[in-house]
Amino acid sequence: DAGVIQSPRHEVTEMGQEVTLRCKPISGHDYLFWYRQTMMRGLELLIYFNNNVPIDDSGMPEDRFSAKMPNASFSTLKIQPSEPRDSAVYFCASSFRRILNQPQHFGDGTRLSIL
Amino acid sequence: KQEVTQIPAALSVPEGENLVLNCSFTDSAIYNLQWFRQDPGKGLTSLLLIQSSQREQTSGRLNASLDKSSGRSTLYIAASQPGDSATYLCALTQGGSEKLVFGKGTKLTVNP
Repeated sequence: DAGVIQSPRHEVTEMGQEVTLRCKPISGHDYLFWYRQTMMRGLELLIYFNNNVPIDDSGMPEDRFSAKMPNASFSTLKIQPSEPRDSAVYFCASSFRRILNQPQHFGDGTRLSIL
Repeated sequence: KQEVTQIPAALSVPEGENLVLNCSFTDSAIYNLQWFRQDPGKGLTSLLLIQSSQREQTSGRLNASLDKSSGRSTLYIAASQPGDSATYLCALTQGGSEKLVFGKGTKLTVNP
């Protein structure tokens, strides 16, 4: 399997611009997660989906952030408008059925820099 | 609120040494605990997952233990190699949620 695929790998944009991060989970996985990693705060969960439905979005920083999962093979995380403090590495992860205690599989991340 | 702590933040050892990485958590009501490895510029790779009912898991030179009562987990690496150099993170889930709560990791350097 190709693993979790994220795009773009790097994004540099100016403050105020809209940013869209993309994720393709592993085929057959029914959970999808978006995380953010910074030096100060480490890795934090932003939101996760089960069967394309958002379950917990309590980690989404504010209304400027939104996430969608229109189908089982694609998800987006959008920031509008972007701010310098949004600069971080954003990871997408997927997993299969909690009851089986399967680990989460991570993509290589998107390194986002807001100037 | 669950807090996960990993000490030390960085560790440097000579090749061949056996070592232990530590992870502590404040709330013992966990569902499972995972150890991950992160290489620079890369995502996380799951190493071991311990269910709350288990005491330890082993994979090759790695052994992870879990003591819920004391709020501790350890990752033991036997006969360390330079290729083991990476940041190691522990993370856990709690009942009713898939949310992983992460420690900030221990950056391991194994010197040839």
